[in-house]
This record gives sequence, C-alpha cells and structure tokens, in this order.
Amino acid sequence: DTGVSQNPRHKITKRGQNVTFRCDPISEHNRLYWYRQTLGQGPEFLTYFQNEAQLEKSRLLSDRFSAERPKGSFSTLEIQRTEQGDSAMYLCASSPNFLAGGPNTQYFGPGTRLTVL
Amino acid sequence: GNSVTQMEGPVTLSEEAFLTINCTYTATGYPSLFWYVQYPGEGLQLLLKATKADDKGSNKGFEATYRKETTSFHLEKGSVQVSDSAVYFCARASNAGGTSYGKLTFGQGTILTVHP
Repeated sequence: DTGVSQNPRHKITKRGQNVTFRCDPISEHNRLYWYRQTLGQGPEFLTYFQNEAQLEKSRLLSDRFSAERPKGSFSTLEIQRTEQGDSAMYLCASSPNFLAGGPNTQYFGPGTRLTVL
Repeated sequence: GNSVTQMEGPVTLSEEAFLTINCTYTATGYPSLFWYVQYPGEGLQLLLKATKADDKGSNKGFEATYRKETTSFHLEKGSVQVSDSAVYFCARASNAGGTSYGKLTFGQGTILTVHP
C-alpha cells in the first residue's frame, strides 16, 4: 500500500506526559500537512512542510507542540506536557509536487487518536 | 479569512433517495474546492474536486458544481446507497500565492445515514 501511514493509530496517555506521532507520506510527495480533528468538527490546520522546511504554523500550535521533517520524508509531531484539551484525532496529509499536479489535492492518513486522561 | 459553511446534519435518507448537502465558502481569491468523505473508523478520502468557476467535479455518482456567483459547492447524488453512509466534509484551498497556498479549510462535516 502506498498511501499515507500514521503511527500509532491510538495513544492513551496521562496528563503531563509527552507523546510523539509519526507520519509517512506518499513517496515523492514533497508537501506534508498536519491537522487536528475534534469530535463533531472538521479538521483544523496545524502546520505544513515543503520538503524539510516548515513553512507555516497555525495559532493552534502552542509552544508545547513541535513538528519536524528532518529529511523531507517522514514527519513527527510531538506534544509536550499533554493536557486533556489535546485529546483529538491528529491527521497527516501529503500532496504532490506543484509542478506535477498542483499542491492542492491532499491525501490523508488514517489518523492517530490521542486520549489524554 | 477563509471559511467554509456546511448544512447542519445529521441527514437521514432512505436508499435510492436524492441527496443534497449544501456548502458555501468565503470568496477570497479563487479557491480550489473539495469534498472529502470519512467512513466509520477510516481517514478522510478525497471524493471530488473543482478548481475553477463552473467546473463540475464528479465521482461514484456524486457531483458538485463550482458556483462563483453564489460561492457554493453543493454535493448531490441522484440515488444514495446504504454504503454511502459516512461523514462528508466540504473544504477549500487558496489558489493565491504565498505560504497559505494549499492549506485546506474544512466545514464542520455532515453526517449522512442511509437506511435500506
């Protein structure tokens, strides 16, 4: 399967702990996006990368959140000192090179569901 | 700023009924428009898209037409099936330049349940 993959699929943690999620995009997609989806809502943009460069961060991304894409392939999203309000589905998406087909068509992974107790 | 508004759900239909889910967007620039579908326990899947005014996106019997004059992108299907039961999200991206290019703004989603 060559789709976007995310690990873990589920994560339960206690308040105050750190968690890290991983996203593997479709190979050769140079743009990678992170979104957060809470129950009953649409996904909200968090941040995105063009290759290894982080080009935009949402105001939703507090100082406790950090994302990396060190080699321009997989990405990690870390949340430090988790809070109950961080409980959500974290979605990753990737899109192809602009020259190839435009960056707007994003392909989503299955998500990581975080529960903070 | 950019925003997307979807009709409130949930929507409950009988099999073979006609479906319309309304979606309107803020008219900033000339955004690409999308419908994504999320089946239970799965991630978002692209259903269809349109990139300019009067474009019609279609897939699996679903259609949506980019209406610039009404800033709308309503989703329609002539005859729904039980397997269409899912959550449907309307989304927009900006075709303008700059770092927001490609970022998606989603509506709140519409739950569709189709009964046999």
